[in-house]
Amino acid sequence: AQSVAQPEDQVNVAEGNPLTVKCTYSVSGNPYLFWYVQYPNRGLQFLLKYITGDNLVKGSYGFEAEFNKSQTSFHLKKPSALVSDSALYFCAVSGAGSYQLTFGKGTKLSVIP
Amino acid sequence: GAGVSQSPSNKVTEKGKDVELRCDPISGHTALYWYRQSLGQGLEFLIYFQGNSAPDKSGLPSDRFSAERTGGSVSTLTIQRTQQEDSAVYLCASSFDRDREYEQYFGPGTRLTVT
Repeated sequence: AQSVAQPEDQVNVAEGNPLTVKCTYSVSGNPYLFWYVQYPNRGLQFLLKYITGDNLVKGSYGFEAEFNKSQTSFHLKKPSALVSDSALYFCAVSGAGSYQLTFGKGTKLSVIP
Repeated sequence: GAGVSQSPSNKVTEKGKDVELRCDPISGHTALYWYRQSLGQGLEFLIYFQGNSAPDKSGLPSDRFSAERTGGSVSTLTIQRTQQEDSAVYLCASSFDRDREYEQYFGPGTRLTVT
């Protein structure tokens, strides 16, 4: 069975400071990893994904994520947070032989002006 | 281009009534997924369609839930004899193909309230 953990229900960060949203996973085989963002009353939007190759993946809106195989983590990062980044962030994983995505419970990011 | 659309955006129904939720995927996307998002919870997988293959219904919570996909495009999720615990946001997503490398594109969701 595949699973995703987002250990923080909420992350608060001051505008202009770097932000990190944590994600760890458990799958069989090589993981495919995704980050999605959900703004209020909106569906989920794709941010970035890791399939293979460089462990540092760059995505939309200046976000990036680092795949760490030994720690089974895929933390989302941004060097300088904006108030408009405030939203709900979901990490998702798909393991070998699976076409289903398993999502974490989400982390609410609040960027304080 | 047009994204995934869902209708209605909001639905309020009385307990015991049947409801139908509609999803129009992105044109050309062969894979279609339904999820349920309850308050404070993550996304719960419900059902998956890929082309003309038999759907994966493994996530449907009870036999009151069913879904179909006509012509490999539009999908309808039906909930019969609705219960209050069915209240949630129902999200539809599509992807280019079922291969796991392809990201899913989500619709805005249908907020279902059962009174």
